[in-house]
Amino acid sequence: DARVTQTPRDKVTEMGQEVTMRCQPILGHNTVFWYRQTMMQGLELLAYFRNRAPLDDSGMPKDRFSAEMPDATLATLKIQPSEPRDSAVYFCASGLRRIYLAKNIQYFGAGTRLSVL
Amino acid sequence: AQSVTQPDIHITVSEGASLELRCNYSYGATPYLFWYVQSPGQGLQLLLKYFSGDTLVQGIKGFEAEFKRSQSSFNLRKPSVHWSDAAEYFCAVEGNQGGKLIFGQGTELSVKP
Repeated sequence: DARVTQTPRDKVTEMGQEVTMRCQPILGHNTVFWYRQTMMQGLELLAYFRNRAPLDDSGMPKDRFSAEMPDATLATLKIQPSEPRDSAVYFCASGLRRIYLAKNIQYFGAGTRLSVL
Repeated sequence: AQSVTQPDIHITVSEGASLELRCNYSYGATPYLFWYVQSPGQGLQLLLKYFSGDTLVQGIKGFEAEFKRSQSSFNLRKPSVHWSDAAEYFCAVEGNQGGKLIFGQGTELSVKP
């Protein structure tokens, strides 16, 4: 049963520390999305990649957040330095998007719950 | 701008009763629409999707949704709710920028015994 894997599931850290969240997309998927879920803002897109290239990171605070795909099997989201307002659940989703077929289904991981003290 | 509205933040229904969760969208072109469910501490699971064709779509766990273009709605229904359906439900529309999803604020469903 193919699934998106996120690590760690939970992370508690202190303000100012670096946080790295990892995502393993479903094998063969070419699109990866990072979402953040908070009570106040709901689910919001931070960034996404296609074929490992960043397509849109406009939802991400540029000064402290960075997202990369070192290879097709790993996506990372880093926060440096972390702040209490970054506390949220971060979801990764992957999908397969073909040029000639716009329909796209995203499959979500279980999320990383981040608490910044 | 594209947006999704779920008017009901929280709904409580009795087990065995029917359910309808509302979703309205704002989108200029033909929308691709989705319903996801999130159980506590879990990720989002796709319930069903609408891309084109038949406006009544069937999903997993006995859910269905009807796309009504004239009302810009994509309401989720289930004829008989089970206690295990208690969760948060999200409606989403695919934006016109490369496949990103725009989510509604979610509707939390509670099920009374």
